[in-house]
Amino acid sequence: DAGVTQSPTHLIKTRGQQVTLRCSPKSGHDTVSWYQQALGQGPQFIFQYYEEEERQRGNFPDRFSGHQFPNYSSELNVNALLLGDSALYLCASSFTAGLPSGANVLTFGAGSRLTVL
Amino acid sequence: AQKVTQAQTEISVVEKEDVTLDCVYETRDTTYYLFWYKQPPSGELVFLIRRNSFDEQNEISGRYSWNFQKSTSSFNFTITASQVVDSAVYFCALSEAEAAGNKLTFGGGTRVLVKP
Repeated sequence: DAGVTQSPTHLIKTRGQQVTLRCSPKSGHDTVSWYQQALGQGPQFIFQYYEEEERQRGNFPDRFSGHQFPNYSSELNVNALLLGDSALYLCASSFTAGLPSGANVLTFGAGSRLTVL
Repeated sequence: AQKVTQAQTEISVVEKEDVTLDCVYETRDTTYYLFWYKQPPSGELVFLIRRNSFDEQNEISGRYSWNFQKSTSSFNFTITASQVVDSAVYFCALSEAEAAGNKLTFGGGTRVLVKP
């Protein structure tokens, strides 16, 4: 049973460029969340998608946008890259049903490490 | 706003010693969930335990145990008889129970190094 898969695993961009990161959720999961983890810090919530809509958003600028497809996979897009966007981007999936949302356990992927030069 | 603080940045122990990780949280919600995740060098966060705010019973699961004290807003985690494979960064996290989404607020993490 495949877990959460993310691509690419590593990428290097220059300031001002745009990047797209991809995520396939764990089989049976319908909700995808994205987190940014700077070096030496805890993950920071970017946003969450459910039923192809953004359900909740963290404190990130509009340069960060996303999408969820009918097969539940998701993309994270970052425009006008800044040096400070260099980080590990983690995708997490969960199944939204029954339990209150806050109780849902997230399954994380190994992340996409973005370096902005 | 929610906040999670892990005061210990790094802990180094010798194999078979016990390791206790501290976590203090802040929230205005009356109902919430607390989590511990482990992040090995491979990068993915691995779920360890979840606790809800209305159940303060402390439990043991294998070599893991936790101490949840609502009065002091603490949710400490102990690894008993540590092993080299326990070396990782451990994160404490908090989520609201009834939020539209299940946003997790993470602490800064505690790096655990278990030496043979």
